[in-house]
Amino acid sequence: QVQLVQSGAEVKKPGASVKVSCKASGYTFSTYYMHWVRQAPGQGLEWMGLINPSGGSTSYPQKFQGRVTMTRDTSTSTVYMELSSLRSEDTAVYYCARVVPTIWGGYFDSWGQGALVTVSS
Amino acid sequence: QSVLTQPPSVSGAPGQRVTISCTGSSSNIGAGYDVHWYQHLPGTAPKLLIYGNNNRPSGVPDRFSGSKSGTSASLAITGLQPEDEADYYCQSYDSSLSALFGGGTKLTVL
Repeated sequence: QVQLVQSGAEVKKPGASVKVSCKASGYTFSTYYMHWVRQAPGQGLEWMGLINPSGGSTSYPQKFQGRVTMTRDTSTSTVYMELSSLRSEDTAVYYCARVVPTIWGGYFDSWGQGALVTVSS
Repeated sequence: QSVLTQPPSVSGAPGQRVTISCTGSSSNIGAGYDVHWYQHLPGTAPKLLIYGNNNRPSGVPDRFSGSKSGTSASLAITGLQPEDEADYYCQSYDSSLSALFGGGTKLTVL
């Protein structure tokens, strides 16, 4: 079965960077795009971008451009999300999610368990 | 402020029917992009509930149904059960293929 296993919780100081991993198993890694979504305390889900595990191409919303970098390691079927210049508002649970493509936009059928990132001085 | 608008909260008694709306625009839902729905319980990963506007993944009870019309979509839950108490999110796309989420709706089972 499809499994997405993320790295553990992190505590970072403002201005630092954090790198969260998401290891995929149970399917052909390169076949499905991977997205990252976060949820800040008391807030809703927020889309952070996507990576094509096959070629490594990425797409980020304007809000995160310049601060987020998504990469992948095909040898270990792992995707990474690095967020830099952290501020307190980046405190959130970060999820990776596999997308099943459709003609009119895909849906997230499998999610990682989430990784809590706390930004505090 | 989410591009897709959901009511912050809805409630219903066990056995009742509730609906959750998701209102977008001609740039997203109205442009033809599918709407998907997720159930999110605190401390767990979101779970796919409805995909492609009105399709249920295997294992999702038929008490859950989705619909889409114009620039809006709806999630209906019939025969409310206590375990349905959760946050519900709609999701779609815009023309740049950026994923969009609604602000979420908290369902309370009275």
